[in-house]
Amino acid sequence: IAGITQAPTSQILAAGRRMTLRCTQDMRHNAMYWYRQDLGLGLRLIHYSNTAGTTGKGEVPDGYSVSRANTDDFPLTLASAVPSQTSVYFCASSDSPDSASPLHFGNGTRLTVT
Amino acid sequence: GQNIDQPTEMTATEGAIVQINCTYQTSGFNGLFWYQQHAGEAPTFLSYNVLDGLEEKGRFSSFLSRSKGYSYLLLKELQMKDSASYLCAQGDSNYQLIWGAGTKLIIKP
Repeated sequence: IAGITQAPTSQILAAGRRMTLRCTQDMRHNAMYWYRQDLGLGLRLIHYSNTAGTTGKGEVPDGYSVSRANTDDFPLTLASAVPSQTSVYFCASSDSPDSASPLHFGNGTRLTVT
Repeated sequence: GQNIDQPTEMTATEGAIVQINCTYQTSGFNGLFWYQQHAGEAPTFLSYNVLDGLEEKGRFSSFLSRSKGYSYLLLKELQMKDSASYLCAQGDSNYQLIWGAGTKLIIKP
């Protein structure tokens, strides 16, 4: 079934540890995104990639890094986790980077930083 | 910054009609999306409006007024499975999405 796969589903992480959240899509979409979702707040964009080989910063990029070595994969790395990074993380993709293209979301990674 | 405003929570009765409103700031507007998100799941696309008027898609319809910075999602013949959060999102001048916090819709029998 075509779609976006995120791993892990959930994770408890000690503060200060490094963590990579994985995201893979098989729809050959050009654009990919990482969002975090916190209670009472809208989805907030962390980083995005309009096409393989390029990345950009979103609204809340500090403490996170991404890479886009190929079309399918868009991992998100937390270099040194802090408790404020406790959140649900969603990876998404769209056929085109313009905002008219609907986003397809992965099932999310629930991350708890202790 | 730009704000998207939508009610935090709404309650409706099975079989009824409910309208979920969303207001946004009109500068740099590039379309208005509605997504549905069931608890513990990913958001899924419902509708996209870029021109004024009503777009109907089965039991769900979405309306846009660009001059008023206003949209609504209309859900008819409510079913228990419609219990979910409904997210309003505006495309901005940089082709990124600005998201509302979502409206939690509770359907009662």
